[in-house]
Amino acid sequence: DIQMTQSPSSVSASVGDRVTITCRASQGISSWLAWYQQKPGKAPKLLIYAASSLQRGVPSRFSGSGSGTDFTLTISSLQPEDFATYYCQQANSFPFTFGPGTKVDIK
Amino acid sequence: EEQLVESGGGLVQPGGSLRLSCAASGFSFSTYWMTWVRQAPGKGLEWVANIKQDGSEMYYVDSVKGRFTISRDNAKKSLYLQMNSLRAEDTAVYYCARRGASGSWVGYWGQGSLVIVSS
Repeated sequence: DIQMTQSPSSVSASVGDRVTITCRASQGISSWLAWYQQKPGKAPKLLIYAASSLQRGVPSRFSGSGSGTDFTLTISSLQPEDFATYYCQQANSFPFTFGPGTKVDIK
Repeated sequence: EEQLVESGGGLVQPGGSLRLSCAASGFSFSTYWMTWVRQAPGKGLEWVANIKQDGSEMYYVDSVKGRFTISRDNAKKSLYLQMNSLRAEDTAVYYCARRGASGSWVGYWGQGSLVIVSS
């Protein structure tokens, strides 16, 4: 199985800050990577697919980059509604594994 | 409007069985791979099972192989997860989910159904 890691596990930030989350796959997955946002008690929401494609309706302050084994999710200017947990997921081979999550909270 | 509504969760004893259902509406159900993803309390996400559009292919994570069965009824626009020989570690919120049209990510999620395995 492909293992996914994320760093940091948590980050404290202020509104307006630029936040970057890193995801690493245990083997190359080309661009088969997605990013999700999850708020407490809610289902996750797809933000980015194919490593860098923005899901319809997602604000443009979210962006994704990377290929192979190393990927990043960037929030260019953090908004109050962005405080949540973010997960990466590899879509290269079954089982489609998720990273452990990065919690973004208020500084 | 697209909707996925799960039902069938609840409290079950270890070794017991439960069947989750998911009713889909607002999109062409028969044209999508469908998926179950679970999340144990306070934990991360785990992709449990996949089923192809026509039901001819199913894939399971190792931890549920031989115990869980995913199925679908395209005429009823419904997805199912039959869970047998349940264990405490199966306790989780189970999400019915629609795979993306262009890849194996989840484009749309249900609200989730809580399954608690406990004596």
